[in-house]
Amino acid sequence: AQSVSQHNHHVILSEAASLELGCNYSYGGTVNLFWYVQYPGQHLQLLLKYFSGDPLVKGIKGFEAEFIKSKFSFNLRKPSVQWSDTAEYFCAVNYNTDKLIFGTGTRLQVFP
Amino acid sequence: DVKVTQSSRYLVKRTGEKVFLECVQDMDHENMFWYRQDPGLGLRLIYFSYDVKMKEKGDIPEGYSVSREKKERFSLILESASTNQTSMYLCASSSGLITDTQYFGPGTRLTVL
Repeated sequence: AQSVSQHNHHVILSEAASLELGCNYSYGGTVNLFWYVQYPGQHLQLLLKYFSGDPLVKGIKGFEAEFIKSKFSFNLRKPSVQWSDTAEYFCAVNYNTDKLIFGTGTRLQVFP
Repeated sequence: DVKVTQSSRYLVKRTGEKVFLECVQDMDHENMFWYRQDPGLGLRLIYFSYDVKMKEKGDIPEGYSVSREKKERFSLILESASTNQTSMYLCASSSGLITDTQYFGPGTRLTVL
């Protein structure tokens, strides 16, 4: 079955630490990949997305993600996190359809 | 600016009641979606619609129905609410291109007693 895995359920970091959140998807066909973020009390919003071209994608607020087709992965990175990055992060994939399949989310807590 | 609104932020209902959750988008989007969000389970698709009066089941449609009479409005209906439908419900819309972003509403936190 088509699925998305986020192995980090809860990540706790200090400010200025580097961040990498894992995302793996289950199918080897054509995919479009997304990272969404939900700040406390706010709407889910897009951080970045990949559908073709350069596999290193840059998003808002200094986030980036790399699509590695051979590993079925789309990990999210940020070199130096801030307290304001405290949020829940969701990886999502569509297998060339309108339907998005979401991972279970990673809760990130950043302490000053 | 893109906007998806949901009729209520918080709702408390009793078991067996019929519940309507309304969603409106102002972007002339073709596609609209209803998800439920539960801790540890992420977002799960209940139903989606790619056109007026068209609907397709998502991954967890049991106990729910939907209505899309106008392009901008997508309603989720719980025919007979049950306690296991206590959840956060999120509405989203997108243009219809598979590479397009889905834009989300603020969510409705439904509690069924």
